[in-house]
Amino acid sequence: GAVVSQHPSRVICKSGTSVKIECRSLDFQATTMFWYRQFPKKSLMLMATSNEGSKATYEQGVEKDKFLINHASLTLSTLTVTSAHPEDSSFYICSAIQGNRNTIYFGEGSWLTVV
Amino acid sequence: SQQGEEDPQALSIQEGENATMNCSYKTSINNLQWYRQNSGRGLVHLILIRSNEREKHSGRLRVTLDTSKKSSSLLITASRAADTASYFCLGTASKLTFGTGTRLQVTL
Repeated sequence: GAVVSQHPSRVICKSGTSVKIECRSLDFQATTMFWYRQFPKKSLMLMATSNEGSKATYEQGVEKDKFLINHASLTLSTLTVTSAHPEDSSFYICSAIQGNRNTIYFGEGSWLTVV
Repeated sequence: SQQGEEDPQALSIQEGENATMNCSYKTSINNLQWYRQNSGRGLVHLILIRSNEREKHSGRLRVTLDTSKKSSSLLITASRAADTASYFCLGTASKLTFGTGTRLQVTL
């Protein structure tokens, strides 16, 4: 079946640095990918919709200059957390829509800890 | 944005019992999907039901959809300890937003 891979699964970075998280669709092309953030025991919060070849669409309240999204190819979207702050520590999950099947597949998520 | 809201928020049952979770949404959808999430992990797609379908089965899963009430239910029959997880519904249309999910605990 379709698989979405996220990397890294866990990352620790220092305050003020930037960290990049990759989301890959392994066996299908995804023109649209989504990035979510999840706090412990909470639901997923949609951060942005990533469209291949165009600018991402950010949800209200999400800083686009802080959370840079690049969808350079049909199988890869990246989320870069810039000038990371401890409050950015969270679980980040990406998902991708598989073509016209309208099914959404999720990555395994990435734990970010900013120290 | 549309939002799925699941209830109950938490459900604790014993192994072998059935678990029923409900989901309501606010706007029209093309289809509705149910996912499960183990603690600290990604989401796993369970089942998709299209807006023109009323009921769908997959193994021990049974999903219903009532578009007039904008609601869906997920029934897990003969639950197992391994079913312990959080379950989310997601309506697919122009935007995707999850509800808070139902945390299911299945005890031996």
